[in-house]
Amino acid sequence: DADVTQTPRNRITKTGKRIMLECSQTKGHDRMYWYRQDPGLGLRLIYYSFDVKDINKGEISDGYSVSRQAQAKFSLSLESAIPNQTALYFCATSDPGAGKNIQYFGAGTRLSVL
Amino acid sequence: AQTVTQSQPEMSVQEAETVTLSCTYDTSESDYYLFWYKQPPSRQMILVIRQEAYKQQNATENRFSVNFQKAAKSFSLKISDSQLGDAAMYFCAYSGTNAGKSTFGDGTTLTVKP
Repeated sequence: DADVTQTPRNRITKTGKRIMLECSQTKGHDRMYWYRQDPGLGLRLIYYSFDVKDINKGEISDGYSVSRQAQAKFSLSLESAIPNQTALYFCATSDPGAGKNIQYFGAGTRLSVL
Repeated sequence: AQTVTQSQPEMSVQEAETVTLSCTYDTSESDYYLFWYKQPPSRQMILVIRQEAYKQQNATENRFSVNFQKAAKSFSLKISDSQLGDAAMYFCAYSGTNAGKSTFGDGTTLTVKP
């Protein structure tokens, strides 16, 4: 089983709909992240969380919200989806100690907003 | 804020040959981590190699090695004996030692010709 699991793998939705992307991990890491990848661009950070009570905005948080339900779960919500939120979304975890900030990624969620 | 620049959107290499992917970064920190990640068509992000800034010795992982020039803020990836399975998009990434989160370049698409 994957250490970082994202659901769904693919999603098509309509403009104005609320959707949630879910991420769960079995690595035992406190730190979790949501990134967005657009064609020709690298990954850009949307939100990150260093523990259940510590949630921080990344560089492109507008239009998104997150919830850290437990150490193992970190969800990303689009309250009212718009077409320019069509992208590939990645969840990741890291361990600043032994892991030396290596990011461990889920398989990604491809989201299309029509 | 840190920035990461990959100046080669696309590169190609003949199978069994050597190729070097370039990356430069900007930071005011003295200690940090640098990474190369690979994203094959499956879209899974996979760590290729990691370098700790305080270590002068260049990191090596089998056919993959880096040329880390701290003063020049340069971090290139050399792939020796290129294989068809090396075809992917490669991302250079920076992480401060205390930040946890990573900043990514825009990626280089590597094509391997048989």
